Amino acid sequence: RKEVEQDPGPFNVPEGATVAFNCTYSNSASQSFFWYRQDCRKEPKLLMSVYSSGNEDGRFTAQLNRASQYISLLIRDSKLSDSATYLCVVNNGNQFYFGTGTSLTVIP
Amino acid sequence: NAGVTQTPKFRVLKTGQSMTLLCAQDMNHEYMYWYRQDPGMGLRLIHYSVGEGTTAKGEVPDGYNVSRLKKQNFLLGLESAAPSQTSVYFCASSKPHLRWKGTEAFFGQGTRLTVV
Repeated sequence: RKEVEQDPGPFNVPEGATVAFNCTYSNSASQSFFWYRQDCRKEPKLLMSVYSSGNEDGRFTAQLNRASQYISLLIRDSKLSDSATYLCVVNNGNQFYFGTGTSLTVIP
Repeated sequence: NAGVTQTPKFRVLKTGQSMTLLCAQDMNHEYMYWYRQDPGMGLRLIHYSVGEGTTAKGEVPDGYNVSRLKKQNFLLGLESAAPSQTSVYFCASSKPHLRWKGTEAFFGQGTRLTVV
């Protein structure tokens, strides 16, 4: 079983739409959680960390449900510049585990 | 700020050739990682290091060796390249992980390697 699983998409949404990505992780001892963004042919970059209390950064909201081992990312009022692949990432101590990524295209 | 720098950025190898990928970070991070990224597979950990002079195997270590002689550098070697090692290689670094307080990984720009 993979450490981190996420729906690969693709998600094609119009500008201004709200879109949600989900991710599950297999190790209940996982300690910290992140969403990364990766643009085509570029390196992954941190979008936001994810906390049990939930956290928000502008149009982005991340949630963690430890009981269900489930992580989510909500993007409101989608912009063309949000088009990218979003990676769910879990840290178990010494190692980061990455989902395969969810592709988002925002359409004019 | 340079952050994490990988060299080279592109390389074409013939089967059986050897090469070394260099990763350098200027953030004084203890932890360093080498990943490969293939379509549909996501990022997979090859080897990692939790400090100078230490290395450990990740998920896909076969065919690769690493060394961490200096804290700021992490080298990935391919002794005899195979077409299956055609991939994009990313180096990353991070601070030591504190329980319940995540520390992010910072990535280099990647090395695109083709083995023919």
